Amino acid sequence: KAGVTQTPRYLIKTRGQQVTLSCSPISGHRSVSWYQQTPGQGLQFLFEYFSETQRNKGNFPGRFSGRQFSNSRSEMNVSTLELGDSALYLCASSLGGAANEKLFFGSGTQLSVL
Amino acid sequence: QKEVEQDPGPLSVPEGAIVSLNCTYSNSAFQYFMWYRQYSRKGPELLMYTYSSGNKEDGRFTAQVDKSSKYISLFIRDSQPSDSATYLCAMSARGGADGLTFGKGTHLIIQP
Repeated sequence: KAGVTQTPRYLIKTRGQQVTLSCSPISGHRSVSWYQQTPGQGLQFLFEYFSETQRNKGNFPGRFSGRQFSNSRSEMNVSTLELGDSALYLCASSLGGAANEKLFFGSGTQLSVL
Repeated sequence: QKEVEQDPGPLSVPEGAIVSLNCTYSNSAFQYFMWYRQYSRKGPELLMYTYSSGNKEDGRFTAQVDKSSKYISLFIRDSQPSDSATYLCAMSARGGADGLTFGKGTHLIIQP
């Protein structure tokens, strides 16, 4: 069974631009969560989507948004990029039927903002 | 004080040693506890998943949770060079509305 797939693996943008990251969950998984990983803050929860609806949200500004499609694939968008947005963005999927399920992570998208 | 504290290391031990990794936390609402392993340039891989207090064993790995002390541990027996990685503890409250709260990870090096 294929794991969580994230594209692209690496991305370089400049301040003020926007970026869209993509995530394909494990087949049969209906929940997709996004996390930001930086050396200073570690992994931080961005949001979770289930059945095309945002179910939970972390403490990030509105520049960070996401969506989920009917096939459970998800995209994350960051607008008006700042230098501090440079990070590894990780997507994780779970079955989605209940809270606190096991999360399975992809390899991430490494975003560099110049 | 951060919600989850974890010694960043590096922790260097010889091959075959027993490794002990630990996290402390402050939020008494946490009920689900996990350990992830992360290799360089990869995403975290789930190793152990436990609910509430107690021990859980899986092969060379043993996870312990002591909710009264707000302290969790991961033990690795017969450590191998392939175990060299960053180990992240993670936890969540019932309902999971705030997602997982992670420690910053301990960098483990197993010397051949």
